[in-house]
Amino acid sequence: GESVGLHLPTLSVQEGDNSIINCAYSNSASDYFIWYKQESGKGPQFIIDIRSNMDKRQGQRVTVLLNKTVKHLSLQIAATQPGDSAVYFCAENYSGNTPLVFGKGTRLSVIA
Amino acid sequence: EAGVVQSPRYKIIEKKQPVAFWCNPISGHNTLYWYRQNLGQGPELLIRYENEEAVDDSQLPKDRFSAERLKGVDSTLKIQPAELGDSAVYLCASSLTQGQQYFGPGTRLTVT
Repeated sequence: GESVGLHLPTLSVQEGDNSIINCAYSNSASDYFIWYKQESGKGPQFIIDIRSNMDKRQGQRVTVLLNKTVKHLSLQIAATQPGDSAVYFCAENYSGNTPLVFGKGTRLSVIA
Repeated sequence: EAGVVQSPRYKIIEKKQPVAFWCNPISGHNTLYWYRQNLGQGPELLIRYENEEAVDDSQLPKDRFSAERLKGVDSTLKIQPAELGDSAVYLCASSLTQGQQYFGPGTRLTVT
């Protein structure tokens, strides 16, 4: 069936560098996308979201890019810090009232 | 403001035993979700409540899993009898109707 997935299971970056975490989705009807951060022993924490009528959305140190042509979503973290080390999940849903579908996650490790 | 509260945080049981998890959502949130998260995977929805009504339980294994939210506030998820494959983290989340979901810390279940 259709699902959300991630290109890379792990990503290591130097402290202070920018991080880019990618996500591919297969359901062209998806109209809402979310990035979550999950630290060890905690539940997923909302980072940023984007709707399908947008290509880019910025938050504090984070930017989400949506390319509907190739069904690709990315999360950019500027000036990555040790506290950014976690597993990052993208999630999507459609029709406004359907379950969130999560990808498998990318583990981000920040090297001091 | 208190977040989503779950208990217990950890539970170890032998197979064929019953187990129950409790969740108290954020005050005022009418929507409550139970997810299961296997190791290295994203959360998967088990059941969603709108107030006291279960509006999506299609992924809940009804032969052994049950859930209730009698007064439309806190909720209990039960497994009886537990199987080895039920070992996972069980996450509860809450939201305003179709709003951002806030996750609790989860209950890590180990079935031996």
